[in-house]
Parts: sequence; structure tokens; C-alpha cells
Amino acid sequence: AQSVTQPDIHITVSEGASLELRCNYSYGATPYLFWYVQSPGQGLQLLLKYFSGDTLVQGIKGFEAEFKRSQSSFNLRKPSVHWSDAAEYFCAVGAGNSGYALNFGKGTSLLVTP
Amino acid sequence: GAVVSQHPSRVICKSGTSVKIECRSLDFQATTMFWYRQFPKQSLMLMATSNEGSKATYEQGVEKDKFLINHASLTLSTLTVTSAHPEDSSFYICSAREAASEQFFGPGTRLTVL
Repeated sequence: AQSVTQPDIHITVSEGASLELRCNYSYGATPYLFWYVQSPGQGLQLLLKYFSGDTLVQGIKGFEAEFKRSQSSFNLRKPSVHWSDAAEYFCAVGAGNSGYALNFGKGTSLLVTP
Repeated sequence: GAVVSQHPSRVICKSGTSVKIECRSLDFQATTMFWYRQFPKQSLMLMATSNEGSKATYEQGVEKDKFLINHASLTLSTLTVTSAHPEDSSFYICSAREAASEQFFGPGTRLTVL
């Protein structure tokens, strides 16, 4: 069965510092991997996705993520965080044979300090 | 990108009443729609998958008689919470996809049952 683990429930970074949010998955085949961001009371916005090909994917708002099959990881990174990046971040895994129904991690809450 | 809308964005109802939430794909035909629920500060949990013109597939533990899903057209799916109780209060999010494409999420509906 698919599963997604986001080990960090909360992360605090200073504005301008670099950011890495961790995501580990469990899936028997090559997964479809996603990172979403959710601001308070809002729906989900897709930051980036990995289906195949280049393992380093670029997303919106300056985010990137790297798929590492050997580590079953898909960590999200940003070189310099802005105060507006404070939000909840969800990693998700999907499988083609389930019509891309997504299995979400529990989320990481990002706090950005001045 | 593709746009998915939900209506209403917020609803408050009395215990025992039924509430209908609409999910519309505005600029594409959604062959598959998904319904998720999210409790405060928790992740999204898939409730059901619906394909246009067929019965929804519910996840384990989700009562199909309580959460009625209809996907009568390629642009509209509805979720009806029947005989709602306070424990049904949650954030309900739908997503939609065309064949072989990613999911696009609606902004969510906040349901509060008094």
C-alpha cells in the first residue's frame, strides 16, 4: 500500500534562509509525487510534480524537489524563504492504476520569522 | 491551469439536516472527481472517487449512505452529507481530472454542524 511520511510537523526558518521539507514514500512501483501548499482556510495549490524523467523538478514560487529512488524521498527545497511562504505543505503520492487518487502526508507547517 | 470551483465555500447547518456541496470543473471535462475531507490541522483523507456516469467508489470506513456522491455530468459532482452531525464538521475538498492528467483542486467547503 502507498504511504507518505513527512517527518517534520513544524519547521521554523528565518526569512532569507534556505528551506528543505522532507518527504518519504512507500510504494511498490514508480510513484507519481506531488507537493502542495495550503494557506489557512484555502484549498491546495500545486507547487510541483514528478512523473518521470529528470529527477530534479522545478516548481512555482522558486521551489524545487528531487526524487531519490534509493532513499524513497522527494524533498522540497527553496534557497531563500520569503515571509509569504508560511503555510502548510503537503507531500502526496499517486498511482496511475488508481486514477491518480492521492495519498497525502500529514503535512509540515512552515513558520517564517523576520 | 484548469479551474475547479466549489459551492458553497462555507455552510452552517443544524444537526439532522442534509447539506449538498457542489464541485464544478469550469474549463475542462472531468472524467474523474475525488472528494477529500480534512480535519483541523490534519491531512486530507480521500473519501471517494467518482467517475462520470457511474457509482462512486468509497474508501474504507466512509459510509456511502451518509455521504452521497453524484457525478451526473463531466463538469459537476455533488457531495450530500445526509443527517449531518457535529462530528461531520470538516473541510471538504474536491478535485477533478481529465483522463491521464493531474488533479486540480477546488478551494474547499467549510461545513459546521451545530
